[in-house]
Amino acid sequence: AQTVTQSQPEMSVQEAETVTLSCTYDTSESDYYLFWYKQPPSRQMILVIRQEAYKQQNATENRFSVNFQKAAKSFSLKISDSQLGDAAMYFCAYRSPGTASKLTFGTGTRLQVTL
Amino acid sequence: DTGVSQDPRHKITKRGQNVTFRCDPISEHNRLYWYRQTLGQGPEFLTYFQNEAQLEKSRLLSDRFSAERPKGSFSTLEIQRTEQGDSAMYLCASSLVSGTAGNTIYFGEGSWLTVV
Repeated sequence: AQTVTQSQPEMSVQEAETVTLSCTYDTSESDYYLFWYKQPPSRQMILVIRQEAYKQQNATENRFSVNFQKAAKSFSLKISDSQLGDAAMYFCAYRSPGTASKLTFGTGTRLQVTL
Repeated sequence: DTGVSQDPRHKITKRGQNVTFRCDPISEHNRLYWYRQTLGQGPEFLTYFQNEAQLEKSRLLSDRFSAERPKGSFSTLEIQRTEQGDSAMYLCASSLVSGTAGNTIYFGEGSWLTVV
C-alpha cells in the first residue's frame, strides 16, 4: 500500500517570504499522481497543485511550485511571496493511476504566516 | 454551481444514537467519495461511488456504517449506534471521471460529528 509522510507538523513563514513544505511517499508504482491540498480554518479542502509522475517538469501555479524528485520519492511544495491567506493546513496526497483510485493523504503541515 | 455541499455541518449526538449525513456533489460528477478526518490527521478514505454503485469500501467502514447513493446524485452516510470513537469530520468529495486518474477531486466543507 502507498504511504505519504509529512515530517513537518508545523511551519512558520513571514509575510512575503518563501517557505518549503516537505513530503515523501512510498510506492512501487511507476505512474501516479501527486497533489497538494490546502485546508484553511473553514475546513474545505482546496486543490493547490498537482503533478503527474510521468512528467519531468515541475508543476507551477502562480506563487506555488513543486520540487518533484521521482527517484527520491519526494514532492515538496514551495510557496513564494507568502500571504496571510496562505495560513492553513497543507496536505500532500498520492493517487494511483486508473479511474478506480482514491487519494491517500499525509498527516499535514500547519503553516503559520506572520507579519 | 455551488460546489460540494454537506449537511449538517455540525452534529452532537449521544452515544448509541444513529446519525445521518447528506452530501450533494457537484452536478454531473459521477464519482462521489466519503472520507473521515480526525484532529491532527489527514483524511482517510471510507468509500466511493461510481454513479449509484458503491465500488469500494475501506476496512474503516465497520458494519455500523452504511452509505448510499440511490439515484447517482446525492449520497447519505449513516452511522448506527454511535461510539465516542466515531467523533470526527466526515468529508464528502466528488469528481468527474473521464478516463484519467488525474481528475480533480473537489471536497465539501465537511460534517463535524461529536459523540458524547
